Amino acid sequence: AQSVTQLGSHVSVSEGALVLLRCNYSSSVPPYLFWYVQYPNQGLQLLLKYTSAATLVKGINGFEAEFKKSETSFHLTKPSAHMSDAAEYFCAVSAGGSYIPTFGRGTSLIVHP
Amino acid sequence: DAEITQSPRHKITETGRQVTLACHQTWNHNNMFWYRQDLGHGLRLIHYSYGVQDTNKGEVSDGYSVSRSNTEDLPLTLESAASSQTSVYFCASSSGTGVTDTQYFGPGTRLTVL
Repeated sequence: AQSVTQLGSHVSVSEGALVLLRCNYSSSVPPYLFWYVQYPNQGLQLLLKYTSAATLVKGINGFEAEFKKSETSFHLTKPSAHMSDAAEYFCAVSAGGSYIPTFGRGTSLIVHP
Repeated sequence: DAEITQSPRHKITETGRQVTLACHQTWNHNNMFWYRQDLGHGLRLIHYSYGVQDTNKGEVSDGYSVSRSNTEDLPLTLESAASSQTSVYFCASSSGTGVTDTQYFGPGTRLTVL
């Protein structure tokens, strides 16, 4: 079985500050990990994904995430937050040959001017 | 450009009525999924399909059904709508080539059951 835990349902940062959204996974086999973003009144779209090629993954809009097997983590970061980054962020894990990712409950990123 | 669309975008219905939500994708993807999104629960899988004539139940399938008669469409039917089914529904598709597939989501349908 696979699962994902996103720590913090809401994260608030000031514009220009570092963004850190936490994701820890549980999987008995090597996982594949995803971050999706959902802007208000829209569907989810892929930010980045870890496919075992490289542990540091760069995505769209300046986001990146690092796969740390020893910590079972895949935290999402961005050096400098922008107002347009305000959205809901979902971490997801796929493992064991499953085509169906398991999603976390999401973290709402709030960016203050 | 390929896309995935959902209709209607908003729907209000009454308890006990049958409701069908449409999902259409032009990616030519094998896999299609239906999720519901509720505050505090994130995304929960309702049904999914790996190809024409294939359908499978997800974790919250009670009260819902799907059918897949072609590659492009996976309509979701609520047989007898209940207030507990008030939610935002998302359809998604993926190519089916592997476990690292990206899921492509539609814009969602907001359903209110009165």
